[in-house]
Amino acid sequence: DAGVIQSPRHEVTEMGQEVTLRCKPISGHDYLFWYRQTMMRGLELLIYFNNNVPIDDSGMPEDRFSAKMPNASFSTLKIQPSEPRDSAVYFCASSSIRDWAGELFFGEGSRLTVL
Amino acid sequence: AQSVTQLGSHVSVSEGAMVLLRCNYSSSVPPYLFWYVQYPNQGLQLLLKYTSAATLVKGINGFEAEFKKSETSFHLTKPSAHMSDAAEYFCAVSLNQAGTALIFGKGTTLSVSS
Repeated sequence: DAGVIQSPRHEVTEMGQEVTLRCKPISGHDYLFWYRQTMMRGLELLIYFNNNVPIDDSGMPEDRFSAKMPNASFSTLKIQPSEPRDSAVYFCASSSIRDWAGELFFGEGSRLTVL
Repeated sequence: AQSVTQLGSHVSVSEGAMVLLRCNYSSSVPPYLFWYVQYPNQGLQLLLKYTSAATLVKGINGFEAEFKKSETSFHLTKPSAHMSDAAEYFCAVSLNQAGTALIFGKGTTLSVSS
């Protein structure tokens, strides 16, 4: 089975530009999580969804960040406008309530550099 | 609120030496606890997890961790380090409740020298 698929793997953009990161969770998983990893702050939970509905978005840094999950197989994280401090690796992860003991399956991440 | 604290951002050992990575947790309810490993340019993968069954948990690649409620600790150990163990290790906690997210520690980078 394919794992969690994220795109793009690397993105370099200029300050002020819009950035869209994409995630395809594992088929059949009903939870989807977005995390951000930086040297300074480690892994931070940004938002997570259950059955395509956002459950907790308290980790979203500010209004420039938005996330959607239009269907069970696709989610986006959008930053508009982007700023240099948004440079980080963004991870998507998914899990299943049927196997719940907290295990998350992570994608390989999207490395964002904002110049 | 739950949290985890990983003591030591960087641990260095020689090949064949014992590995000890420390994690202390804070939780108002019995937690689920996890160790994840991240190799360079990859996502995180699960090493082992504690979900209120046995307090000594065995994971992949010879790692194990012991849940000690009295010390609020969940330290990760391996008797003999291998070069391939060099990676970043994350301790994480979640509520003992379906559908809650994991909160991760800052991570510990393990270096293994020959």
